[in-house]
Amino acid sequence: DAGVIQSPRHEVTEMGQEVTLRCKPISGHNSLFWYRQTMMRGLELLIYFNNNVPIDDSGMPEDRFSAKMPNASFSTLKIQPSEPRDSAVYFCASSLTSGRAETQYFGPGTRLLVL
Amino acid sequence: GEDVEQSLFLSVREGDSSVINCTYTDSSSTYLYWYKQEPGAGLQLLTYIFSNMDMKQDQRLTVLLNKKDKHLSLRIADTQTGDSAIYFCAEGGSQGNLIFGKGTKLSVKP
Repeated sequence: DAGVIQSPRHEVTEMGQEVTLRCKPISGHNSLFWYRQTMMRGLELLIYFNNNVPIDDSGMPEDRFSAKMPNASFSTLKIQPSEPRDSAVYFCASSLTSGRAETQYFGPGTRLLVL
Repeated sequence: GEDVEQSLFLSVREGDSSVINCTYTDSSSTYLYWYKQEPGAGLQLLTYIFSNMDMKQDQRLTVLLNKKDKHLSLRIADTQTGDSAIYFCAEGGSQGNLIFGKGTKLSVKP
């Protein structure tokens, strides 16, 4: 299996622009997670889906952030408009199911820089 | 609330043992995890321990769990420069997610 695939790997954009991050989970996995990692705040869970349905989006910073999962093999995280404080590494992870005992597998991350 | 705490930095010499410590708050976590993040990469599962175990050994890695004190540790024997990375402790959250610590950056000096 190719593992969790994220694109792009790097994104540099200007403040106010729309940014779309993409994720393909491991085939057969039913849960998908979006995280953000910064030096100051560490690893934060933004939102997660189970069977394509958003379960917990309490970590989404504000209305500028939105996430969708139109099918079991694809998810997007969109930031509109982007701001410099959104600069971070964004990780997507997937697991077989959601639950306390399920291992999550992480993608390589998208490094976002908003100028 | 659910929280995981770990020290931010650890420096050891090559060949020594490294011990990374973690405390957690949710006593109902079924599994506790250690993830490793190498520079420029995502997190990789290193090992995990079931909550009814006290110890788990996997080659150079030893995980110790003290449920009473909600304390988890990861020992790396014969630490090598390739072990330099950030190590994250995580517990299963009540919402089906994982709660991660901020990570311990391990530096291995030759």
